[in-house]
Amino acid sequence: GDSVTQMEGPVTLSEEAFLTINCTYTATGYPSLFWYVQYPGEGLQLLLKATKADDKGSNKGFEATYRKETTSFHLEKGSVQVSDSAVYFCALSEIQGAQKLVFGQGTRLTINP
Amino acid sequence: DAGVIQSPRHEVTEMGQEVTLRCKPISGHNSLFWYRQTMMRGLELLIYFNNNVPIDDSGMPEDRFSAKMPNASFSTLKIQPSEPRDSAVYFCASSSRLAGAGNEQFFGPGTRLTVL
Repeated sequence: GDSVTQMEGPVTLSEEAFLTINCTYTATGYPSLFWYVQYPGEGLQLLLKATKADDKGSNKGFEATYRKETTSFHLEKGSVQVSDSAVYFCALSEIQGAQKLVFGQGTRLTINP
Repeated sequence: DAGVIQSPRHEVTEMGQEVTLRCKPISGHNSLFWYRQTMMRGLELLIYFNNNVPIDDSGMPEDRFSAKMPNASFSTLKIQPSEPRDSAVYFCASSSRLAGAGNEQFFGPGTRLTVL
């Protein structure tokens, strides 16, 4: 079945550092891809998405590009802030069947001032 | 739009008691999902409804768990009897299955359940 594999955490960086969180997927066809963020004590929020190959999703300084050839959707940000500390989930939307989202295991990010 | 609404936000109960969690999806959304999140197991999909009909309940851990969606604006997740291992944060999410919607899910704030 479809699956998502994320870079294992936790990840700890200093403020203004460059961030990459790796995400690769296995799927039949070309699913939509998502990054969700979960701040402490809150539900998941959509951060960005891409619906077809070579699309770039972006929001709040974060970017991710849908790479069909490497089946990847890595999350990047050029200069992180303390407020970016959260858990980040990569997900794909099934093409067939129930079309539910398949989530990665989540990556906890901590940014130190 | 108020977003997905869940109640209660926190629930503390004793083992053996019945627990009912409630969810109001975003108006116009026709798919609803119940998830459970724990440190050990991460985010797990419990059950999924489309147009108020349960489509996939393979994630429901056992018969003590049941979920209903009597209409498009309300769903419940019931645990009877509750056990300490049910302690977790339970999330409800909704989405629109309209073409081109991308199946993006909108999550509620969650209910933190503690079973003593």
